[in-house]
Amino acid sequence: KQEVTQIPAALSVPEGENLVLNCSFTDSAIYNLQWFRQDPGKGLTSLLLIQSSQREQTSGRLNASLDKSSGRSTLYIAASQPGDSATYLCAGKNRDDKIIFGKGTRLHILP
Amino acid sequence: GAVVSQHPSWVICKSGTSVKIECRSLDFQATTMFWYRQFPKQSLMLMATSNEGSKATYEQGVEKDKFLINHASLTLSTLTVTSAHPEDSSFYICSARGPLRWNTEAFFGQGTRLTVV
Repeated sequence: KQEVTQIPAALSVPEGENLVLNCSFTDSAIYNLQWFRQDPGKGLTSLLLIQSSQREQTSGRLNASLDKSSGRSTLYIAASQPGDSATYLCAGKNRDDKIIFGKGTRLHILP
Repeated sequence: GAVVSQHPSWVICKSGTSVKIECRSLDFQATTMFWYRQFPKQSLMLMATSNEGSKATYEQGVEKDKFLINHASLTLSTLTVTSAHPEDSSFYICSARGPLRWNTEAFFGQGTRLTVV
């Protein structure tokens, strides 16, 4: 059974810093991995989707990597801004077509 | 990306009543839809998977008679919370994907905040 773990659970960094959010998964037979952003009380905003055949994806200041062999993914945020404050969720899609979410990392960017 | 519309975005109901939540794919045919529940400060937990025209498959611990799922068309799935109780208060989110299974991205609705009083 796929399990997705995100570390740390919460993170506070000063504005302008680069940061890395970590995600690990137990089943390496993953079909894709997706990073989402969730603002308090809101739905999900898809940030990046990495297919199993890919190693990374980039969008603006965001870069996500995928290493299936080690069961890890990272989300790199460059030059953080207060508007980046949110909960970031990592989710892996399994061979059974289900998407399993981690518990998220609550990110707070200090102005 | 494709658009999934969920309605209502929030609802307050009395204990014992039933509430229906709709999930629509606006610009693609959603052969499969997923329903998730999220309690405060928790992650999204998959409740059930529904394929168009067939019965939903429920995850362990989810009562199928309490959470009725109907996926009667390729663009609409509904979740009905029957005889709602305060412990059913939660954030419900649907997700939909098209017919190409393995590498097809699933798109998420905006979520429905249910409060049972």
